[in-house]
Amino acid sequence: ETGVTQSPTHLIKTRGQQVTLRCSSQSGHNTVSWYQQALGQGPQFIFQYYREEENGRGNFPPRFSGLQFPNYSSELNVNALELDDSALYLCASAATGDEQYFGPGTRLTVT
Amino acid sequence: QKEVEQNSGPLSVPEGAIASLNCTYSDRGSQSFFWYRQYSGKSPELIMSIYSNGDKEDGRFTAQLNKASQYVSLLIRDSQPSDSATYLCAVTNWGKLQFGAGTQVVVTP
Repeated sequence: ETGVTQSPTHLIKTRGQQVTLRCSSQSGHNTVSWYQQALGQGPQFIFQYYREEENGRGNFPPRFSGLQFPNYSSELNVNALELDDSALYLCASAATGDEQYFGPGTRLTVT
Repeated sequence: QKEVEQNSGPLSVPEGAIASLNCTYSDRGSQSFFWYRQYSGKSPELIMSIYSNGDKEDGRFTAQLNKASQYVSLLIRDSQPSDSATYLCAVTNWGKLQFGAGTQVVVTP
């Protein structure tokens, strides 16, 4: 167990809706990153937060947004859902250094 | 050109044999290199990290890094059926993990 939790486990949404996914990191892990993993692909970097500030962003549109809170929790918000947003969404936390530990993921299905 | 490339497999390995997985990356500035194991329907699990040229051994796993050739490999000795999974190579650029698409390993009894 990595000590990283995510909720919900599974989610079904309709195209055009909005969704919020949540992650709770290990205590002391100041860095949280979010990834999208489509079926058969490696995870793709969405963005990273360090001490509640965005610290890098991948090639995702602005309708993907996030927040990190002082209590080591964070959230990923996706607006105007599209069918292609169907994927496994992963958060990963890190203390110092580059070793990132993943939560169990949220499986999002957009219909 | 993909930034991190792996053979997709599947790589079929007899039980007890050595599985050899390869990964190349394009950014010479990459500093940290990782191997993650991902079982079907689960999230990636960090199994090896390597930061300098050479070999690093941890149990049945050995990671090899050659920065000049931009090449990382993972050897799994004495392969077990429980090693059947997808192995993801990842490299770090400014704290951002870039993954390959993964190599599926199937260990056959």
